[in-house]
Amino acid sequence: SVLLYQKPNRDICQSGTSLKIQCVADSQVVSMFWYQQFQEQSLMLMATANEGSEATYESGFTKDKFPISRPNLTFSTLTVNNARPGDSSIYFCSSNWGGAETLYFGSGTRLTVL
Amino acid sequence: GDSVTQTEGQVALSEEDFLTIHCNYSASGYPALFWYVQYPGEGPQFLFRASRDKEKGSSRGFEATYDKGTTSFHLRKASVQESDSAVYYCAPGSGKLTFGDGTVLTVKP
Repeated sequence: SVLLYQKPNRDICQSGTSLKIQCVADSQVVSMFWYQQFQEQSLMLMATANEGSEATYESGFTKDKFPISRPNLTFSTLTVNNARPGDSSIYFCSSNWGGAETLYFGSGTRLTVL
Repeated sequence: GDSVTQTEGQVALSEEDFLTIHCNYSASGYPALFWYVQYPGEGPQFLFRASRDKEKGSSRGFEATYDKGTTSFHLRKASVQESDSAVYYCAPGSGKLTFGDGTVLTVKP
């Protein structure tokens, strides 16, 4: 398995600002995934990030709004640009250590946009 | 493509009750299904994987069996505890990275 650490645990920001969410894995992983979860809803895959290549975004998510960096095999950063109240949700990083189908998740970052 | 539908949005039980959560699965290939549990304030945790006709997956007293006739995986537990209160998600295998809508389980002492 793999342990994923996210920071910050929570953040409050003003509309129009940008913020970064960091995810660190305790071992090297090929793929990292970012999910968005609105209150009392399921998880929505935002993007897949592999080391050394541009992230692949799912429908409804764009690179301009949610740029993702993946500089090495243990680290990824999700940025929320021009934050809006509609972006208020929990963001999770995830990985399938060893390329297996099982997903492991960080503890999440709860974002509130005022 | 592979997709899952969880039929129960919420389930309320008392301790020691029997639990069944249904997950209907539409698969284009070999069916394998994952169950995850999410406790309040935490990220989802892998519970177990189930696959094949009648091949059970199990963990922590939970088990799931694939019913080929109805293309469903049903999560079951014989005797729930208050600590089982959480949201349960089924997710198709095959690297789809998607989740069902989730079932909120509330167990009263």
